[in-house]
Amino acid sequence: DGGITQSPKYLFRKEGQNVTLSCEQNLNHDAMYWYRQDPGQGLRLIYYSQIVNDFQKGDIAEGYSVSREKKESFPLTVTSAQKNPTAFYLCASSIDSGPRRTKYFGPGTRLTVT
Amino acid sequence: DQQVKQNSPSLSVQEGRISILNCDYTNSMFDYFLWYKKYPAEGPTFLISISSIKDKNEDGRFTVFLNKSAKHLSLHIVPSQPGDSAVYFCAGSGNTPLVFGKGTRLSVIA
Repeated sequence: DGGITQSPKYLFRKEGQNVTLSCEQNLNHDAMYWYRQDPGQGLRLIYYSQIVNDFQKGDIAEGYSVSREKKESFPLTVTSAQKNPTAFYLCASSIDSGPRRTKYFGPGTRLTVT
Repeated sequence: DQQVKQNSPSLSVQEGRISILNCDYTNSMFDYFLWYKKYPAEGPTFLISISSIKDKNEDGRFTVFLNKSAKHLSLHIVPSQPGDSAVYFCAGSGNTPLVFGKGTRLSVIA
C-alpha cells in the first residue's frame, strides 16, 4: 500500500530539547510539506520541499529545520527556539509542487513539550 | 491576514438532511480550491476540488459551488450521514502553496 508514514503517533519532550519528527512516503512524490495544527486553527505551513536537496520556508518556519536528502524522507526538527512547540504536526506529499496537485496527508504526530 | 475564512466553527445537521459548509476567501490570485475532511488525530483526506473556471463540481453526495464575484464557495453534502461527522477544511491555491481555513466541525445527528 502506498502512503505516508509519520512516527511516532505521540511524542513527549522536555522543554529545551530538540526533537525530530519522521515523515516517509512511498508514493514517488516529488513534493513534501510540513504543517502544524493547533486547536481551533487551520493548517499552517512550516516548510515545503519541491525536490530532493531543496526546501523553502512556509508561513511559520521560525524554530524549525528540515532536510531532504532522499525523495522518500522529509524529517522535521523542532528546535528549542520554537516558542510553542506543542501541537499536532502533519506531513503531506504531492506528485509535484503544482498548486492544483492534491496533497496526501500522513496520520500526524502529536508533540507535547513540558 | 486570514486569506481563507470559515466563519462557522461548528454545524449540526440531522441525518438525511443537507449539510452546507461555507468558505470565503480574500486572495484574488486563488484559482483552485479544495475541501479536506479530517477525523480527530488523523491526517486530512482530500474530498473535492474546483477550478475557478467552473462554478460547480459534483462527486456523489458532495457538491462544491464557487461564486467568484463574491469570493465565496460552499460544500453541500446530500444526504448527510453520521460518518460525515468530522472537521472540514477549505483551502485555496494560486501560485503559492495551499492556504487553509480554520475548519468547520460538522456533526450529523442520527
